[in-house]
Amino acid sequence: GDSVTQMEGPVTLSEEAFLTINCTYTATGYPSLFWYVQYPGEGLQLLLKATKADDKGSNKGFEATYRKETTSFHLEKGSVQVSDSAVYFCAHGGSQGNLIFGKGTKLSVKP
Amino acid sequence: DSGVTQTPKHLITATGQRVTLRCSPRSGDLSVYWYQQSLDQGLQFLIQYYNGEERAKGNILERFSAQQFPDLHSELNLSSLELGDSALYFCASSVSGGQSYEQYFGPGTRLTVT
Repeated sequence: GDSVTQMEGPVTLSEEAFLTINCTYTATGYPSLFWYVQYPGEGLQLLLKATKADDKGSNKGFEATYRKETTSFHLEKGSVQVSDSAVYFCAHGGSQGNLIFGKGTKLSVKP
Repeated sequence: DSGVTQTPKHLITATGQRVTLRCSPRSGDLSVYWYQQSLDQGLQFLIQYYNGEERAKGNILERFSAQQFPDLHSELNLSSLELGDSALYFCASSVSGGQSYEQYFGPGTRLTVT
């Protein structure tokens, strides 16, 4: 069935380090792909999206490219900040219109 | 601020009780989704409404029900509550009901069943 697999956390980085969070998906067809971020005590915020193969979503220095061949949508940022500390969720659009989420990756950035 | 509002923010109740969670979607959005977030199950889709009609069902228990009203706000009703129902319940809205459309999430209602 449809699913999303993302790397286990927690991920701990120093400020200005490079970030990669891996995400792969299983789905019928070519669904839209999303990254959401959840800050402590808050709801999920849409970080970026891509709707078709080779699309690159970007926002606030984060990027992810829709790779059809590898069914992947890895999140990257060149230089993380302490304020990026949060839980990151990869998701794809399900056949019912809902979102199918990965389990989330907790990122902690140390000054 | 996503524009999606949820009330109450916190709810503490006893086993066997019934509660109602409320959600108001972003202005102009016709679709409302309900999700449950728990430590062991992660984020699970419960149910979707589109312009007042039920559109899709996910892993929603028979003890749970929802509706969307003419003004497009939605309510999730949880009855015969069990300890395992303790979780964060999120409402999300989108302009339409297709899988291409991003969903905007409310701040959630944290339900604690004691």
